[in-house]
Amino acid sequence: SQQGEEDPQALSIQEGENATMNCSYKTSINNLQWYRQNSGRGLVHLILIRSNEREKHSGRLRVTLDTSKKSSSLLITASRAADTASYFCATAPTSGTYKYIFGTGTRLKVLA
Amino acid sequence: KAGVTQTPRYLIKTRGQQVTLSCSPISGHRSVSWYQQTPGQGLQFLFEYFSETQRNKGNFPGRFSGRQFSNSRSEMNVSTLELGDSALYLCASSPSGLHYEQYFGPGTRLTVT
Repeated sequence: SQQGEEDPQALSIQEGENATMNCSYKTSINNLQWYRQNSGRGLVHLILIRSNEREKHSGRLRVTLDTSKKSSSLLITASRAADTASYFCATAPTSGTYKYIFGTGTRLKVLA
Repeated sequence: KAGVTQTPRYLIKTRGQQVTLSCSPISGHRSVSWYQQTPGQGLQFLFEYFSETQRNKGNFPGRFSGRQFSNSRSEMNVSTLELGDSALYLCASSPSGLHYEQYFGPGTRLTVT
């Protein structure tokens, strides 16, 4: 099964509203990252949060990490039509295996 | 710095054929990972190379293979193509792996008919 599961699977909001998406994972991690993917294209790295960090900001993005609950959330404030994309979380496990595990993604649609 | 490049961008092959995809990482990056993305299975890890060595491999059959050259460029090969291999194949590079963000290329869209 997927290490990361995003919730919700799809989200539709109006421009200017905030969008929150969540990611849950199963094993201990070194770090967690969020990526954006515009339709059928490569992924763009948004933010990396390490296991010893609880919150991180980057522009209109705010990421939180709760290692006790094995969950993370991505908040996009004052959303724009250009934020329409799929968002994925990726976890880097501490097991020593050199692979990221991607979640199933949240499809965000921002209506102008 | 130039980003990650992948060639070709689009490819149409017939069942039973083989295909080779190429990835050039960002200059200085030594880790290259490959992923398969399909609507049904999402993003699945294929393998990761670091300094010409495969460090990890996902759960794909032996028809999927890869290699990395001394200049960090990487190739992946799929032999005996099946219809289910139709997917977007993404390559990502990072300085050394798990502790850094990955930079993705635009992908190669493979269609198997």
